Amino acid sequence: QVQLVESGGGLVKPGGSLRLSCAASGFAFSDYFMAWARQAPGKGLEWVSYITGPGTSTDYADSVKGRFTISRDNAKNSLYLQLNSLRAEDSAVYYCVRANYAFDYWGQGTLVTVSS
Amino acid sequence: EIVLTQSPGTLSLSPGERATLSCRASQSVSNNYVDWYQQKPGQTPRLLIYLASNRATGIPDRFSGSGSGTDFTLTISRLEPEDFAVYYCQQLANSPWTFGQGTQVE
Repeated sequence: QVQLVESGGGLVKPGGSLRLSCAASGFAFSDYFMAWARQAPGKGLEWVSYITGPGTSTDYADSVKGRFTISRDNAKNSLYLQLNSLRAEDSAVYYCVRANYAFDYWGQGTLVTVSS
Repeated sequence: EIVLTQSPGTLSLSPGERATLSCRASQSVSNNYVDWYQQKPGQTPRLLIYLASNRATGIPDRFSGSGSGTDFTLTISRLEPEDFAVYYCQQLANSPWTFGQGTQVE
């Protein structure tokens, strides 16, 4: 069965960095777009970034463009999100999702808290 | 950017009643790339409907989606107790991919 397991969240100071990881299993990872979405406490869902199956193309929400970088290692069935220059408004649960006409599978999420 | 506006913000209904949720796009969504998700408190969102009208695997047939262009609808034919949750629409037709702000069914 499809499984997506995120890790790497935590408490970081404004301006700091984090690297989130997502371990995927149960499907042909390299065949699928993958994405990150986030949800601030008590708020709605926000798409953050996506990457194509081969990893040759990426895109970002304006709110994170230039600060976050998505990448993948198809040999390791892993997805990553490098978060730099973090701000308080980046505090959220970050979800790894498989993008196949829709976000059809979601990880359980990893919490990022940006606070001094 | 395609802005998705969901209405109503809150829908107050009883079990057994019909729920009709609306998602209106600021411009036409090509190929009906509109999806619907359910989220219960403390849980991960769950895909209900993809490409406007296709039920995802394991989703009961009381959930249905319809619409095209700029107007999309999620209908729950008869509410079950487990259906009380927040529902989000999303479009994947144009980047940036966007979500609506959600409708709470209470």
